[in-house]
Amino acid sequence: DGGITQSPKYLFRKEGQNVTLSCEQNLNHDAMYWYRQDPGQGLRLIYYSQIVNDFQKGDIAEGYSVSREKKESFPLTVTSAQKNPTAFYLCASSWGRTGELFFGEGSRLTVL
Amino acid sequence: AQSVSQHNHHVILSEAASLELGCNYSYGGTVNLFWYVQYPGQHLQLLLKYFSGDPLVKGIKGFEAEFIKSKFSFNLRKPSVQWSDTAEYFCAVFSGSQGNLIFGKGTKLSVKP
Repeated sequence: DGGITQSPKYLFRKEGQNVTLSCEQNLNHDAMYWYRQDPGQGLRLIYYSQIVNDFQKGDIAEGYSVSREKKESFPLTVTSAQKNPTAFYLCASSWGRTGELFFGEGSRLTVL
Repeated sequence: AQSVSQHNHHVILSEAASLELGCNYSYGGTVNLFWYVQYPGQHLQLLLKYFSGDPLVKGIKGFEAEFIKSKFSFNLRKPSVQWSDTAEYFCAVFSGSQGNLIFGKGTKLSVKP
């Protein structure tokens, strides 16, 4: 079954710890994205990658880092520098530059 | 900067009522337009899209949207809603020059049975 897998689904961390969220896709899509969803804020773009070994900052990249060493994988690290990390994180992918995205089920991070 | 505005934060309707959710965007160039839906407990999925051609587009589950270029709008409509349409709806705009998808803040739709 083709799709996007995000893990973990729920994650609890103490303040000051870095956490890494996994995103894997088997759709053979070139582009991958990370969005953050907060109530009443919609989805805001953190980082995106159009090809392997290349990525660009989105609107709210501060306090986050990514890597794209393989086409199917685009992990997101939420660092201790992110001031308000508690949120729902969505990974997505697309096959071309059209804006049509396929989303994973999301990872909910709670920082205690 | 490009932006997307959704007019309503929360809409409450009774079953069989008609629905219209407003969406306006600020970019003046060529854009692709989308409505995505997030049902409770499910992942975000595409409801319908507009790239070019007929400005009235039809999507899944009886939804449609009309692109009005002069008004920079892409409103979502459904003639008769069902309880199962309860969800959050997001309008989104993509421009090739910017290279990424910009979302509105979403509209929560609650349909009373």
